[in-house]
Amino acid sequence: KNEVEQSPQNLTAQEGEFITINCSYSVGISALHWLQQHPGGGIVSLFMLSSGKKKHGRLIATINIQEKHSSLHITASHPRDSAVYICAVSPYSGGGADGLTFGKGTHLIIQP
Amino acid sequence: ETGVTQSPTHLIKTRGQQVTLRCSSQSGHNTVSWYQQALGQGPQFIFQYYREEENGRGNFPPRFSGLQFPNYSSELNVNALELDDSALYLCASSLEAPAYEQYFGPGTRLTVT
Repeated sequence: KNEVEQSPQNLTAQEGEFITINCSYSVGISALHWLQQHPGGGIVSLFMLSSGKKKHGRLIATINIQEKHSSLHITASHPRDSAVYICAVSPYSGGGADGLTFGKGTHLIIQP
Repeated sequence: ETGVTQSPTHLIKTRGQQVTLRCSSQSGHNTVSWYQQALGQGPQFIFQYYREEENGRGNFPPRFSGLQFPNYSSELNVNALELDDSALYLCASSLEAPAYEQYFGPGTRLTVT
């Protein structure tokens, strides 16, 4: 079973700061997902990646398959970025339908 | 294209009762996964349905059961509710396996008293 660890668990920063959230996992995967969860529960998929780097607006996600590590970066952070960011991994497609394995999430607060 | 919807939004049940939660998948998606998220924790995988068959299950007891219908909507049923079943229940649909992008519903908040 894959273990997914995120750091930090909590992060408070000032508006405009560059934010980095890290995720490591223990077993090989087919894909890694970065998700955003706002108070109230709704989860939005930000990225799904299996190699390299993806960028969407001010968000950048990278993954190093050899090191089993991924990072989510937020440039020019804004109070509306305040949310819980969750890393989740998909097993190899040949490993059965095990669903996603989630980290516990990083609670991010951006202060004006 | 409609998104993933779940009903009800909130639910309060008494220990020992049974509950049914519903999920309507994103149009064209034939795979649905259900997750339980306790307060302050990441979601935990309950089970997955693909084309009306359960094809994967997490570490949850048999009193957690499900159905997927021909239109790919689905249900999560929980029997003999326990206090620890209080959580946010999320469903997520995808085109095929979970390696494809998951589209989450808003969740159902279940409180067991």
